[in-house]
Amino acid sequence: RKEVEQDPGPFNVPEGATVAFNCTYSNSASQSFFWYRQDCRKEPKLLMSVYSSGNEDGRFTAQLNRASQYISLLIRDSKLSDSATYLCVVNIGTGGFKTIFGAGTRLFVKA
Amino acid sequence: DTAVSQTPKYLVTQMGNDKSIKCEQNLGHDTMYWYKQDSKKFLKIMFSYNNKELIINETVPNRFSPKSPDKAHLNLHINSLELGDSAVYFCASSQDFGASEQYFGPGTRLTVT
Repeated sequence: RKEVEQDPGPFNVPEGATVAFNCTYSNSASQSFFWYRQDCRKEPKLLMSVYSSGNEDGRFTAQLNRASQYISLLIRDSKLSDSATYLCVVNIGTGGFKTIFGAGTRLFVKA
Repeated sequence: DTAVSQTPKYLVTQMGNDKSIKCEQNLGHDTMYWYKQDSKKFLKIMFSYNNKELIINETVPNRFSPKSPDKAHLNLHINSLELGDSAVYFCASSQDFGASEQYFGPGTRLTVT
């Protein structure tokens, strides 16, 4: 089993749609969680951290369920510019961290 | 100003050659990383350095040798290049080891022929 698994893509949605991505992690020593965005042929960039209480940044909402070892990202009112690959990222360990990236979920938002 | 920079951006070379990729960050971060992203787009950590010291060395062939002359630089030297080394290599940095955000360089696209 992969340490971090994401929904297989791609997701094809119309502008204005709401889309949700899921991610599961296998290591209970996972300490911190993030969503990164990677545009085609570009570097990954942090989209948002994921906190236990859930957090929102504009149209983006991230949630964490430690008991189920599950992370989600919700995008409301999708824009064309949201088209990208979304990477679920987990830091594992205490003292010595190891960063594990999920394989990513591709999103296409169409007019 | 570029936060994390890498050179070269593209590198095409033949099997068996030795090549280096340079990385510099001007963010004052303590920790730097090298990642490999293969053709399937899977991003995998190779090395982590904290304050110039190697912290993590994943299962990477010893043909790959990182070197950190100071906290702002982490270079990657690759000996005897193989076809399977073709990938995009990303350098990244974070404020400290285990910290939240990692800032990535633009990547070096290595093609081994």
